[in-house]
Amino acid sequence: GNSVTQMEGPVTLSEEAFLTINCTYTATGYPSLFWYVQYPGEGLQLLLKATKADDKGSNKGFEATYRKETTSFHLEKGSVQVSDSAVYFCALSDRGSSNTGKLIFGQGTTLQVKP
Amino acid sequence: DVKVTQSSRYLVKRTGEKVFLECVQDMDHENMFWYRQDPGLGLRLIYFSYDVKMKEKGDIPEGYSVSREKKERFSLILESASTNQTSMYLCASSETSGGPGKTQYFGPGTRLLVL
Repeated sequence: GNSVTQMEGPVTLSEEAFLTINCTYTATGYPSLFWYVQYPGEGLQLLLKATKADDKGSNKGFEATYRKETTSFHLEKGSVQVSDSAVYFCALSDRGSSNTGKLIFGQGTTLQVKP
Repeated sequence: DVKVTQSSRYLVKRTGEKVFLECVQDMDHENMFWYRQDPGLGLRLIYFSYDVKMKEKGDIPEGYSVSREKKERFSLILESASTNQTSMYLCASSETSGGPGKTQYFGPGTRLLVL
């Protein structure tokens, strides 16, 4: 079945450091891929997404590229801020779920940025 | 602005009680979802609904039921609460139209403690 695997956390970085959070997936066909972020005490919100191979999603300085050949969608940011401290979830939606929008989530990666 | 609201942020219930969690969205979305979030497990889908009075089981429906009598409201019911249902519960909604890569919009979550 379809699945998403994220790197284990927590990840602790100093402000202005480079961030990578790895995400790989297993799916048949061509899923859509997402990164959601959950700030402390809040629900999840969409950070970025990509719907086909080689697409790059970007938002708030974060980027992720849909790599079909390596089944990956790694999240990167060049210079993190304390305000980026949150839990990050990678997710996929397969083509069979295109009407319902059902998502399969990874386990989440906690990022803590220290000043 | 898109909004998904949940009836309570925190709930404390006793084992065996019947528990109702309410979710309301104001975006006229067809699809609504209930997840539970547990550390190290990410988000797991309990139930989802793709239309009024329509529902489908997710990955972990045991011990839960749902109700969708109106398009904007989706209720999660714990028929007889147990301690292993202590968790964070998240509601989300998404539209049906618009092709792949639909965004899910999340509520702030309800943290339930069953004693």
